[in-house]
Amino acid sequence: KAGVTQTPRYLIKTRGQQVTLSCSPISGHRSVSWYQQTPGQGLQFLFEYFSETQRNKGNFPGRFSGRQFSNSRSEMNVSTLELGDSALYLCASSLDVGGEETQYFGPGTRLLVL
Amino acid sequence: AQSVTQLDSHVSVSEGTPVLLRCNYSSSYSPSLFWYVQHPNKGLQLLLKYTSAATLVKGINGFEAEFKKSETSFHLTKPSAHMSDAAEYFCVVRPAGTYKYIFGTGTRLKVLA
Repeated sequence: KAGVTQTPRYLIKTRGQQVTLSCSPISGHRSVSWYQQTPGQGLQFLFEYFSETQRNKGNFPGRFSGRQFSNSRSEMNVSTLELGDSALYLCASSLDVGGEETQYFGPGTRLLVL
Repeated sequence: AQSVTQLDSHVSVSEGTPVLLRCNYSSSYSPSLFWYVQHPNKGLQLLLKYTSAATLVKGINGFEAEFKKSETSFHLTKPSAHMSDAAEYFCVVRPAGTYKYIFGTGTRLKVLA
């Protein structure tokens, strides 16, 4: 089975722009979670989607949003980018059915905001 | 409140010596517990998981962890460190009945030749 894929892998944007990141989960997985990783804050949970519904949300401003499609692929969007949004954005998928809850991570998208 | 504490931010060992990475958790109910490893500029890879079966869990690459409910600990060990083990390790708890994964702050393992 193919693993979790994320596109693009690297991205450079300037302040004020917006960005959309994409995540394709492992085939059959219905839960997709997003995380932001920075040297100062570590791994922080952004949100989680299950069957196209946002089920959990972290403590990030409304500039961060996401969605999930019927094929379980997910996108996250960051509007009005700030320098502090520079980070590695990780996506993880899980089956989350029948007690199988292990998250499998993609390689991440590294975003640099100038 | 549910939380995960990784007691050491950095651990250095010599190649061939044992590895111990410590993790304590706080959770109201029996949680699921995971260890992940992250090599530089890579995503997170699952090492092992505990989900209320055997308390001693064996993972990949010779790692294992023991769930001790009385101590609320889930320490990660390996008998003999290899240079390729140098990475950052994350302890993660998922409290029962929730959809949340709570990550520790990570332990950076350095392996000396």
